[in-house]
Amino acid sequence: DAKTTQPPSMDCAEGRAANLPCNHSTISGNEYVYWYRQIHSQGPQYIIHGLKNNETNEMASLIITEDRKSSTLILPHATLRDTAVYYCIVSGSSNTGKLIFGQGTTLQVKP
Amino acid sequence: NAGVTQTPKFRVLKTGQSMTLLCAQDMNHEYMYWYRQDPGMGLRLIHYSVGEGTTAKGEVPDGYNVSRLKKQNFLLGLESAAPSQTSVYFCASKEVLEGYGYTFGSGTRLTVV
Repeated sequence: DAKTTQPPSMDCAEGRAANLPCNHSTISGNEYVYWYRQIHSQGPQYIIHGLKNNETNEMASLIITEDRKSSTLILPHATLRDTAVYYCIVSGSSNTGKLIFGQGTTLQVKP
Repeated sequence: NAGVTQTPKFRVLKTGQSMTLLCAQDMNHEYMYWYRQDPGMGLRLIHYSVGEGTTAKGEVPDGYNVSRLKKQNFLLGLESAAPSQTSVYFCASKEVLEGYGYTFGSGTRLTVV
């Protein structure tokens, strides 16, 4: 599975959009981009995933570049409860469903 | 409520003791996974299973064994606990089809003294 690169930390003002970038330059054609987050010491929570097209759900939007080498997770109106570690993961080439987590981005939403 | 249940939630072991962590899911998922998370670190895959009766090694399998005798259960065993195995253990399950997310349990906090 392709490796991802994320900034270690980011800040965002409450009520503003949080844009979290992810590079996955070695992604292959059948691999998906997944985003998860982990609040404090809880189990990670699935946010969104995409293959080629941009995706939106009730939690976030996922923008994938045309060459698929990078993506951005957008939280449109960040709240203090969105403070968490956000993981970008690429998976799908091994038919096992396994996800290899990196260090993620620690997002701090500030009042 | 549908989901992934881990037992126990907390445990303290002495070095050399053994224990089994249980993960149970009621979503009929084929795939199941065990991860560990050390302080300030991301999750690392220990073992996983792609169906009843199957298991496979992940990134950090040494010191652990697993079994998947029933589809809904995935057991993680520590035969002889070591202080280096002090960690938070997370179980997850998933649909077979790509494009579906994991469902994680709430974790087991294990301390080996």
